[in-house]
Amino acid sequence: DTAVSQTPKYLVTQMGNDKSIKCEQNLGHDTMYWYKQDSKKFLKIMFSYNNKELIINETVPNRFSPKSPDKAHLNLHINSLELGDSAVYFCASSHGTSNQPQHFGDGTRLSIL
Amino acid sequence: EDQVTQSPEALRLQEGESSSLNCSYTVSGLRGLFWYRQDPGKGPEFLFTLYSAGEEKEKERLKATLTKKESFLHITAPKPEDSATYLCAVPIQGAQKLVFGQGTRLTINP
Repeated sequence: DTAVSQTPKYLVTQMGNDKSIKCEQNLGHDTMYWYKQDSKKFLKIMFSYNNKELIINETVPNRFSPKSPDKAHLNLHINSLELGDSAVYFCASSHGTSNQPQHFGDGTRLSIL
Repeated sequence: EDQVTQSPEALRLQEGESSSLNCSYTVSGLRGLFWYRQDPGKGPEFLFTLYSAGEEKEKERLKATLTKKESFLHITAPKPEDSATYLCAVPIQGAQKLVFGQGTRLTINP
């Protein structure tokens, strides 16, 4: 009965590789998000999708490409991984606009060697 | 610039010792404020939404209050299981995103 689920939970890879993180929500929400949490635990939004349409792109390098095949899924593909990409990536979802609470997955810890 | 600041950065209490966490914000046209709890290795867990100044919400030992410039999360007679990082976040008007504070790391010693 997991609400927002992300896979994998841990991802360890070499610099220069390409990797994907998957996210699925079963809450019936129409808006999904990707956040990055750095080593200082600061959560910062990267992308937001509403009904499969991109509505927020927070000046993230174009090596990061989100894909939303349907309202319940939002995947994140990262090309040419760099050391600075090491962080915890969280997926979240909500009903509609920003004054509705967002519900988060448990994160994917990405480590670049 | 829209900003959310939490204090203190870390707080260590004895079990049963009540205290408050602060979240101050500077946003144009507040559309709500959210409190979350985050345990190590987990995602933020939604606690409360406050929509207008003067509003209060309670859940077990936690009570959240809101003024026009800040919010407080009061914790009464805390237990060790209340240890976590507490985050507040504010939606930015006209943009469908949340701005988070840096969090308060709360430790309750038995």
